[in-house]
Amino acid sequence: DAKTTQPPSMDCAEGRAANLPCNHSTISGNEYVYWYRQIHSQGPQYIIHGLKNNETNEMASLIITEDRKSSTLILPHATLRDTAVYYCIVRFYSGNTPLVFGKGTRLSVIA
Amino acid sequence: GAGVSQSPRYKVAKRGQDVALRCDPISGHVSLFWYQQALGQGPEFLTYFQNEAQLDKSGLPSDRFFAERPEGSVSTLKIQRTQQEDSAVYLCASRAGGGGITGELFFGEGSRLTVL
Repeated sequence: DAKTTQPPSMDCAEGRAANLPCNHSTISGNEYVYWYRQIHSQGPQYIIHGLKNNETNEMASLIITEDRKSSTLILPHATLRDTAVYYCIVRFYSGNTPLVFGKGTRLSVIA
Repeated sequence: GAGVSQSPRYKVAKRGQDVALRCDPISGHVSLFWYQQALGQGPEFLTYFQNEAQLDKSGLPSDRFFAERPEGSVSTLKIQRTQQEDSAVYLCASRAGGGGITGELFFGEGSRLTVL
């Protein structure tokens, strides 16, 4: 699976959009981009995934660049409860290989 | 329950003791994963089950670590002769499908092991 690079930490004001970047320049054509987050003292939680089209669900939007070498997770109106570590993971959609977590981005939402 | 349940939530062991950590996955979920998370780090893969078959144990750090899922539902991670470096949060995750489809992983809250 391709490697990802994320900033170690970010701050965001409550109510504003949080834009979390991820670089995955070695992604292959059939690898998906997954985002999980981990709130303190909880297990990771799935947020969203995508291949090449932008995706949106009730939690977030995922914007993938046309060359697929980077992506951005957008939380449109961040709340204090969105404070967490966000993990960007690239992997194939099928197969038994496990999710490989990096260190992620620690997002702090500030009142 | 609706989610992945792990017990105990907290375990303190003296060095050299054996510990057993339990995971109850979401009912009907085929795939089950164990991860280890050290303080300040992301989760690291330990082992994977598809039903009762342990298909991947490449992440187990030593032969002191053993996992089983005998009936394809509940799983137990056992650590023998615990060492201080085993102190971590042990996370269990389950997934509805088997190897063909990745799908979403559902994680439990973890079992925090502290070895003194």
